[in-house]
Amino acid sequence: QSALTQPPSASGSPGQSVTISCSGTSSDVGGYNYVSWYQQHPGKAPKLMIYEVTKRPSGVPDRFSASKSGNTASLTVSGLQPEDEADYYCSSHAGSHNVVFGGGTKLTVL
Amino acid sequence: EVQLVESGGGLVQPGRSLRLSCAASGFTFDDYAMHWVRQAPGKGLEWVSGISWNSGSIGYADSVKGRFTISRDNAKNSLYLQMNSLRAEDTALYYCATDKSHNYHFDLWGRGTLVTVSS
Repeated sequence: QSALTQPPSASGSPGQSVTISCSGTSSDVGGYNYVSWYQQHPGKAPKLMIYEVTKRPSGVPDRFSASKSGNTASLTVSGLQPEDEADYYCSSHAGSHNVVFGGGTKLTVL
Repeated sequence: EVQLVESGGGLVQPGRSLRLSCAASGFTFDDYAMHWVRQAPGKGLEWVSGISWNSGSIGYADSVKGRFTISRDNAKNSLYLQMNSLRAEDTALYYCATDKSHNYHFDLWGRGTLVTVSS
């Protein structure tokens, strides 16, 4: 159960797009279509942004999109807005009713 | 209103035990798998444990296996985490979270309960 690998930080200016990667193995990200992404603002509980690799829950803006290729998943935030500044975490099913998270990426809107 | 409310956290000495509870309301509790996720101060999220709707499938992170036990009482709309042999590294904010589709994503989160393990 090793953590998924995310870049510690990412940044972009308002209106730009930014992509955050999430690298795992064939035992987690590459092995299942159960990758999800969470947004966490300081002092708040995480919020589900993407599930099952590409699906957006109701209420999540379509500026948020995601994909997966092999053992790496990606989250793209298009048309960056100030309120997108937050920590983002990926997670994946890792077999045997287990889940693993990434270390998190701090997104800064410049 | 759909909500999860965790309780039971506090300051505990290393080696001691603590039992966390999560009260669910506003949805059909036994339709959902449930999970505990923790976050150490200033650190990232760590999945702790999960349980299926009927308690038939249970999983634990390696870091807590053999020390923590997850359970649920569907009649009481409640989720529990029995934590034994606590260590300093178990210090964290513990969240409970729903998993409606049983597909290992967390739809709804509580606000968390803080566990501090220190002498």
